[in-house]
Amino acid sequence: AQSVTQLGSHVSVSEGALVLLRCNYSSSVPPYLFWYVQYPNQGLQLLLKYTTGATLVKGINGFEAEFKKSETSFHLTKPSAHMSDAAEYFCAVSSGGYQKVTFGTGTKLQVIP
Amino acid sequence: NAGVTQTPKFRVLKTGQSMTLLCAQDMNHEYMYWYRQDPGMGLRLIHYSVGEGTTAKGEVPDGYNVSRLKKQNFLLGLESAAPSQTSVYFCASKDRGVTDTQYFGPGTRLTVL
Repeated sequence: AQSVTQLGSHVSVSEGALVLLRCNYSSSVPPYLFWYVQYPNQGLQLLLKYTTGATLVKGINGFEAEFKKSETSFHLTKPSAHMSDAAEYFCAVSSGGYQKVTFGTGTKLQVIP
Repeated sequence: NAGVTQTPKFRVLKTGQSMTLLCAQDMNHEYMYWYRQDPGMGLRLIHYSVGEGTTAKGEVPDGYNVSRLKKQNFLLGLESAAPSQTSVYFCASKDRGVTDTQYFGPGTRLTVL
């Protein structure tokens, strides 16, 4: 079985501050890990994903995430928040098979001017 | 490419009515999925399909049926709508590769009165 836990359903940061969104996963096999972003009234869009190889993954819009197997974590970061980053972010895990993806409950990011 | 499209975008039903949500993808993807999104619960898998003519149950299949008669289309049916089915429904598709990404449609907002 696989699962994802996102710590904090709401996160507020000031514009220009560091963004850190936390994600911990559970998987019985080596996982594939994803971060998706959802803007209001839109579908989910892939930010980045980890499959194999380099544990630091860079995505779109300046986001990156680091896969830490020992901590079973895949936290999302961005050095400097922008107003346009305000959205809901979902961490997800997949373990193969038909590639069923399990999503976390989401973290809403608020960026304060 | 249009990607993944969903119709309708909005719908209001009365309890007991039926309806069909249509998902179409033009990327020749093998796998297609239906999710529902509810506040604080992330995305939950309703049904999925690993190819034309095949469907399978996800986490929350009760009250829904699906069909995949053509590779590019995945239909989600509600035979007798209930207020508990008020939700936002997302369709997604992906190719067969283990590391391939799911692409999401824009969603259908359904209200059951």
